[in-house]
Amino acid sequence: QPVLTQSSSASASLGSSVTLTCTLSRGHSGYIIAWHQQQPGKAPRYLMKVEGGGSYNKGTGFPDRFSGSSSGTDRYLTISNLQFEDEAVYYCETWDSNTQVFGGGTHLTVL
Amino acid sequence: QVQLVQSGSELKNPGASVQISCQASGYIVTNYALNWIRQAPGQGLEWMGWINTNTGHPTYAQGFTGRFVFSLDTSVNTAYLRISGLRTDDSAVYYCARPLGGSDDFQGYWGQGTLVSVSS
Repeated sequence: QPVLTQSSSASASLGSSVTLTCTLSRGHSGYIIAWHQQQPGKAPRYLMKVEGGGSYNKGTGFPDRFSGSSSGTDRYLTISNLQFEDEAVYYCETWDSNTQVFGGGTHLTVL
Repeated sequence: QVQLVQSGSELKNPGASVQISCQASGYIVTNYALNWIRQAPGQGLEWMGWINTNTGHPTYAQGFTGRFVFSLDTSVNTAYLRISGLRTDDSAVYYCARPLGGSDDFQGYWGQGTLVSVSS
């Protein structure tokens, strides 16, 4: 089964950009992942999927400030022009053989 | 639009049982798998397993066998999670979630979550 690794925290200033990373375990570089956003006290919300080739597809309601990319076993979520409402925990998810796998989540703080 | 609406918070004593419902609207529940995910206080997301909504066959992740039961009532478009023999470490928010569709199995739609508190 793939394993997803995320940094536990990240921070960036209002109006700046930040890139969060989700790393797939070795041998799983072709896997698609999904990013989910969980704002404080709320349920997670599907944000986008990122494919191994770097293409991404956003869910509804997220502005163009959110984008995805990929390199090897790394899947990225970039948020530009950070807003206070972007402060949240961001989880990545993948699947294999009818098993879902979540990363540990990155808590993003907007300064 | 697709919605998953879960039942309300529960406060239970250790050893009791609890049943959480997840009512689907905007689609027919048998058209997509239904996953259950646990989030302990201050912790991340933990996949508990899923139910094949066509056959009713459940699949449980490691650590969620025995006391956890997934079920379905297609007549009311609703899935259920039942936990028996509750322990204090079962205190968590439980989410149901559905794949986005197509060939992608990641969660595209989430319920609002049900808080289960286990305390004497």
